[in-house]
Amino acid sequence: AQKVTQAQTEISVVEKEDVTLDCVYETRDTTYYLFWYKQPPSGELVFLIRRNSFDEQNEISGRYSWNFQKSTSSFNFTITASQVVDSAVYFCALSERGGSYIPTFGRGTSLIVHP
Amino acid sequence: DGGITQSPKYLFRKEGQNVTLSCEQNLNHDAMYWYRQDPGQGLRLIYYSQIVNDFQKGDIAEGYSVSREKKESFPLTVTSAQKNPTAFYLCASRLGGSAGTDTQYFGPGTRLTVL
Repeated sequence: AQKVTQAQTEISVVEKEDVTLDCVYETRDTTYYLFWYKQPPSGELVFLIRRNSFDEQNEISGRYSWNFQKSTSSFNFTITASQVVDSAVYFCALSERGGSYIPTFGRGTSLIVHP
Repeated sequence: DGGITQSPKYLFRKEGQNVTLSCEQNLNHDAMYWYRQDPGQGLRLIYYSQIVNDFQKGDIAEGYSVSREKKESFPLTVTSAQKNPTAFYLCASRLGGSAGTDTQYFGPGTRLTVL
């Protein structure tokens, strides 16, 4: 069975600080996908990134970067030089072949960036 | 503009009433999903449909019903049998059906409150 753990319930930082959101997953499948979504106060989940289990390359997109490590079953998300607009709830999700690729979501991490 | 629309944005229901939440997509996606989100919780899957005229129960289907008569539409009915329906409801869609490995995209959500 697939499982996603986001141990950080809430993180509070001051603008321009770097912040890392942790995601640890469990799966028995060798083929799986990992996702990060952002949920701003408006409520809609916004897709940020998707990673497949065969690609452990880290990815950078502007101030966002992701670190995928199969050895520790982690897919962590770092925001560099955080901004107030980054304030949101961030969800990590896992989908696997054995689960018909239906994602399982973590409980989310609420990020509050203070000016 | 392609996307997923949900209506209404806010919905109030009296106890004992059935209500239907609308979800429409013009992305030509095969699969559609309904999730429920409670404060401090992740997303929990209610129902999903990977092809027209077919749908499956998710983790918390009791008290809910769906139909999938058209590819574009996947309405969710919250029945009076649902004991605690106050929550935020999110609809999502994905291009592939059962074999699809691609990304889910979400609508803006409907916030249901039982009075």
